[in-house]
Amino acid sequence: DMKVTQMPRYLIKRMGENVLLECGQDMSHETMYWYRQDPGLGLQLIYISYDVDSNSEGDIPKGYRVSRKKREHFSLILDSAKTNQTSVYFCASSLSEGTTGQLYFGEGSKLTVL
Amino acid sequence: GEKVEQHESTLSVREGDSAVINCTYTDTASSYFPWYKQEAGKSLHFVIDIRSNVDRKQSQRLTVLLDKKAKRFSLHITATQPEDSAIYFCAASKPGTGSNRLTFGKGTKFSLIP
Repeated sequence: DMKVTQMPRYLIKRMGENVLLECGQDMSHETMYWYRQDPGLGLQLIYISYDVDSNSEGDIPKGYRVSRKKREHFSLILDSAKTNQTSVYFCASSLSEGTTGQLYFGEGSKLTVL
Repeated sequence: GEKVEQHESTLSVREGDSAVINCTYTDTASSYFPWYKQEAGKSLHFVIDIRSNVDRKQSQRLTVLLDKKAKRFSLHITATQPEDSAIYFCAASKPGTGSNRLTFGKGTKFSLIP
């Protein structure tokens, strides 16, 4: 079953608290991504991971860090969350067939920072 | 960097009519153009894509057209049905950027007129 699973689906935190969003995939995909989606802005790429311990900044990495210690898991960490990080976060994965290929998205994690 | 503009933020047609969603991109090196669909409250899933070696691709009721000269691509939906209602995102990527580093448009909210 080809699936990307995100946990938690909903999270409420206070400003300054740490946030851990977790993502898993069962397709042995090499490449994984974290996006955030805000109304009117579409999807913005935060980080890409090409494989274990091989991560690269996306377009908006400030305030975020990631960890990938196993191919099937990719975590997004917010150290000291800010109110402007309230968003829906999507994890995705893809095979690395050259530079193109379908992305498989998780269900999203809705984060509210108060 | 690449910018992808989605021209229609909303689009409504009568059931059974055809619909067109248009996107433009800025980077002439972009060569891969996928479309994703997001139903209300759900995640994104891939619907169709086109690569720059062709100018037309059809999958059932969906057709993607690519005009490389104008740096424009479009999604055509024929015989629209209620299940077509969703937000559609266009995206673009180019080779050499490492994996599938897509730039997304801001989305078009497509619905049927009752």
